[in-house]
Amino acid sequence: DAGVTQSPTHLIKTRGQHVTLRCSPISGHKSVSWYQQVLGQGPQFIFQYYEKEERGRGNFPDRFSARQFPNYSSELNVNALLLGDSALYLCASSLALGTPGETQYFGPGTRLLVL
Amino acid sequence: ILNVEQSPQSLHVQEGDSTNFTCSFPSSNFYALHWYRWETAKSPEALFVMTLNGDEKKKGRISATLNTKEGYSYLYIKGSQPEDSATYLCAFPYGNKLVFGAGTILRVKS
Repeated sequence: DAGVTQSPTHLIKTRGQHVTLRCSPISGHKSVSWYQQVLGQGPQFIFQYYEKEERGRGNFPDRFSARQFPNYSSELNVNALLLGDSALYLCASSLALGTPGETQYFGPGTRLLVL
Repeated sequence: ILNVEQSPQSLHVQEGDSTNFTCSFPSSNFYALHWYRWETAKSPEALFVMTLNGDEKKKGRISATLNTKEGYSYLYIKGSQPEDSATYLCAFPYGNKLVFGAGTILRVKS
């Protein structure tokens, strides 16, 4: 079975632009989470979606938004890009809502560079 | 603010050396601790989910132990190989999210 897939793999944008990142979860997984990873830090939680509803949101500005589609794929949108948004954006999927002991499976990430 | 800390930040060892590193997490309200291995340009790979105090899990040459009362977990690699070079992350579930440490970067020289 295919793992979590993300597109695009790399992206270059300029300040003020908008970006959309996409994620397809493992088949059968209904929960998708988004994380941001900057150099030297661990991944930081942005959103969790389950059954098309937002179930958790991290400490990120309203410029960040996401949605989940009926096929459980997800998009992360970032508006009015800032230089500080340059990071690796990881998507993770899990079977259900993510009980503490449930494994989240990660995609390879989208590398975003904002110039 | 929930702190998950990993040490050391990086480690360089020779092929064949055994090594270990630490993840520290809040000892209250413990449910589980996750370990991931993250090779460059790949997806983070789940290694272990630790749930019980005193738990010890093993996968090949890699093993992990858990002490929930004092809030730490150790990851051990026996006889390190160059293919073990990666960043090792631990993550503490908190609500709907995983709170990650900054990771330990392991480089194994042949």
